[in-house]
Amino acid sequence: DIQMTQSPSSVSASVGDRVTITCRASQGISSWLAWYQQKPGKAPKLLIYAASSLQSGVPSRFSGSGSGTDFTLTISSLQPEDFATYYCQQANSFPQTFGQGTKVEIK
Amino acid sequence: QLQLQESGPGLVKPSETLSLTCTVSGGSISSSSYYWGWIRQPPGKGLEWIGSIYYSGSTYYNPSLKSRVTISVDTSKNQFSLKLSSVTAADTAVYYCARLLAAAAVLSWFDPWGQGTLVTVSS
Repeated sequence: DIQMTQSPSSVSASVGDRVTITCRASQGISSWLAWYQQKPGKAPKLLIYAASSLQSGVPSRFSGSGSGTDFTLTISSLQPEDFATYYCQQANSFPQTFGQGTKVEIK
Repeated sequence: QLQLQESGPGLVKPSETLSLTCTVSGGSISSSSYYWGWIRQPPGKGLEWIGSIYYSGSTYYNPSLKSRVTISVDTSKNQFSLKLSSVTAADTAVYYCARLLAAAAVLSWFDPWGQGTLVTVSS
């Protein structure tokens, strides 16, 4: 299985801050990567797919980059509704696997 | 707008079979060439893909669960289902159903998701 490792596990930030989350794959996955946002008690929501494509309806302050093994999710200006846990997912090979999550907390 | 809704018992005894159904509304499972999947999340933990099914019935399972998992589809009811046998406390989780975003692609992103249903394995 491809292991997906996110860093950091948690980050404390303030409204308006730029936040960057990293996801590293244990082997190359080209651009077969997605990012999800999950709020407590809710299902994950797709933000970014194919490493850098913004899902319809997702604010443009979210962006994704990377290819191969190293990927980044950036929130350009953190908003109150962005405090949540973020997961990456690879879709390069079976089984699809997810990172362990990064919790974005209020500073 | 496509919506998915999980249903099934919230409590299952150890060694028994967990059975869940996902009902799709706002679109037809059989008329759209998509894969449909199950994902689970133990309390306070991360996400694990369980398996996926095509409207034709083709299935793909996570090797870690393959010996215990069966996913099926009922196009007449616009539903697909999950059965997980010989459950233990380790199978306690929120179970989500979802559609895979890319048409006819079993390897893809999940969108949209159902709201999830908590299944507890306990005697």
